[in-house]
Amino acid sequence: NAGVTQTPKFQVLKTGQSMTLQCAQDMNHNSMYWYRQDPGMGLRLIYYSASEGTTDKGEVPNGYNVSRLNKREFSLRLESAAPSQTSVYFCASKRDRGDTEAFFGQGTRLTVV
Amino acid sequence: ILNVEQSPQSLHVQEGDSTNFTCSFPSSNFYALHWYRWETAKSPEALFVMTLNGDEKKKGRISATLNTKEGYSYLYIKGSQPEDSATYLCALGGTYKYIFGTGTRLKVLA
Repeated sequence: NAGVTQTPKFQVLKTGQSMTLQCAQDMNHNSMYWYRQDPGMGLRLIYYSASEGTTDKGEVPNGYNVSRLNKREFSLRLESAAPSQTSVYFCASKRDRGDTEAFFGQGTRLTVV
Repeated sequence: ILNVEQSPQSLHVQEGDSTNFTCSFPSSNFYALHWYRWETAKSPEALFVMTLNGDEKKKGRISATLNTKEGYSYLYIKGSQPEDSATYLCALGGTYKYIFGTGTRLKVLA
């Protein structure tokens, strides 16, 4: 019963490098989300996907791209990493309706030096 | 952009004290309000989902109320214990978009 699985758990990048954070869920959820967590700022929405084939910007989308590869997988790409993108990234999924809870992955701690 | 605010930002209480936090949100276009508990080095876990004005939910020593007309929700913890130490997040749920507040960090001192 995996729930939401994120990879990798930790990553160190040099400024300008690119990488993709992977997220997969096995709960047959339509909606998936990427958040970043910074001290004192809670969880800020980067991008979300309401269903397979659709993606929308959240509160802080600049510097990121996403792909909803299929219903299970939602990836987050940093094309040219910057130190300001040092953060902990969480993927989440939920059923469509707003009154259903979200389930989170374990987080990816990313450091850009 | 939806603006979800929480107060206080952090709180220290003694074991046995009761405490409460506030989540404020725009009262227009309300759909659902969620509370999560987030322990350090773990992922957020859902506590409550509330949709109706006047909703009250309870789980053990933790309870929550909702006022959609004035745009706020309260989370109460009765008789705080050290294991209650965590960050408590509220989130405003639309049909798809899901926006979190900045959280209240609670530390319960033994």
